[in-house]
Amino acid sequence: NAGVMQNPRHLVRRRGQEARLRCSPMKGHSHVYWYRQLPEEGLKFMVYLQKENIIDESGMPKERFSAEFPKEGPSILRIQQVVRGDSAAYFCASSPSLGANYNEQFFGPGTRLTVL
Amino acid sequence: QKEVEQNSGPLSVPEGAIASLNCTYSDRGSQSFFWYRQYSGKSPELIMFIYSNGDKEDGRFTAQLNKASQYVSLLIRDSQPSDSATYLCAVIHFTGGGNKLTFGTGTQLKVEL
Repeated sequence: NAGVMQNPRHLVRRRGQEARLRCSPMKGHSHVYWYRQLPEEGLKFMVYLQKENIIDESGMPKERFSAEFPKEGPSILRIQQVVRGDSAAYFCASSPSLGANYNEQFFGPGTRLTVL
Repeated sequence: QKEVEQNSGPLSVPEGAIASLNCTYSDRGSQSFFWYRQYSGKSPELIMFIYSNGDKEDGRFTAQLNKASQYVSLLIRDSQPSDSATYLCAVIHFTGGGNKLTFGTGTQLKVEL
């Protein structure tokens, strides 16, 4: 039973380039959450998505960041025109739609983004 | 005031002892409480969750919740060196928008031989 999958695990970009981070939730999970962990800081919520819908994007920076979870394929977090301050670990988590485990979120291995 | 507060540590305990990790939260509407373990350079791993006041035990771990005091704790019995990690407390306040987790900054635990 595969867990949450994220790729790439490490991503290096130069300032001004675009970063695309992918997340495939656990089998049977339809809720996806993105979190960011800056160096020496805690995990911060960014966005919550269900298939084809953004439910809560209250943690997303107003510019350059976007997320989607299409009907087919993984969820994607996109960062345009990256800056050095975007360097962080980006984690995806998923949870099931129903049942006793509804509120439990399971994390993927993360993508470590380094902006040069 | 931070929404979820934890002592950053490090908390050092000898092998075999009980480690006690504490967390307070500010939002009285918080309804679900989670403990995650995070090894350096790795992703958070769910250890336990608790919804109701009182204690919940799972193996060597016991979570304790006191909603009146807005306090949640994690006890680790018979601590092992492999328990050395950062422990993250997280809460959910249910809203119409979903179940986002609000994390504390974590407590670093060191279990010494």
